[in-house]
Amino acid sequence: AQKVTQAQTEISVVEKEDVTLDCVYETRDTTYYLFWYKQPPSGELVFLIRRNSFDEQNEISGRYSWNFQKSTSSFNFTITASQVVDSAVYFCALSEGNDMRFGAGTRLTVKP
Amino acid sequence: SAVISQKPSRDICQRGTSLTIQCQVDSQVTMMFWYRQQPGQSLTLIATANQGSEATYESGFVIDKFPISRPNLTFSTLTVSNMSPEDSSIYLCSVERREEAKNIQYFGAGTRLSVL
Repeated sequence: AQKVTQAQTEISVVEKEDVTLDCVYETRDTTYYLFWYKQPPSGELVFLIRRNSFDEQNEISGRYSWNFQKSTSSFNFTITASQVVDSAVYFCALSEGNDMRFGAGTRLTVKP
Repeated sequence: SAVISQKPSRDICQRGTSLTIQCQVDSQVTMMFWYRQQPGQSLTLIATANQGSEATYESGFVIDKFPISRPNLTFSTLTVSNMSPEDSSIYLCSVERREEAKNIQYFGAGTRLSVL
């Protein structure tokens, strides 16, 4: 069975610090998708990235970057120079076939 | 981008009744999804609704309890049937669009359901 582990329940950083949110997954499939979502205190969900299992290239989008390591089954998310507006719960998710699982989420607090 | 209107935004319902949640998108999309987020919990995908075919349900969700309609490329409904307090959750509609060679997902604001 597939599984997504976000071991960090809560992280607190000071503004401008870099922070990495960990995501480790388990799957027996060779074809799958990995996702990150952001849920700010307002509650709305924001899609951040979708990556397929055949694309191990790391991705950077502004202050956000993602490190996909198949060898360690990890899809970590780094925020560079964090800002207060980055404060949110971040969810990692794994999708294979018709099955999708979410991690428990990591609550990130960025203090001014 | 895509703008998603989800109705109602919240409701309080009695046990045993049913509630239909509507999801309207401002553009045509092939893939629509319904999620549930129970209080303080992570998300769970309920089903994928593609126009012209039966919805595909995730493990633990069945059509009798969560019937879904997808009459066209801009609209879908999710019904929560025969509700119990355990169905109290936020229900989220989502769509996927292809933009600049990437699949981007957009979410509605959610329907906050409380079952008494």
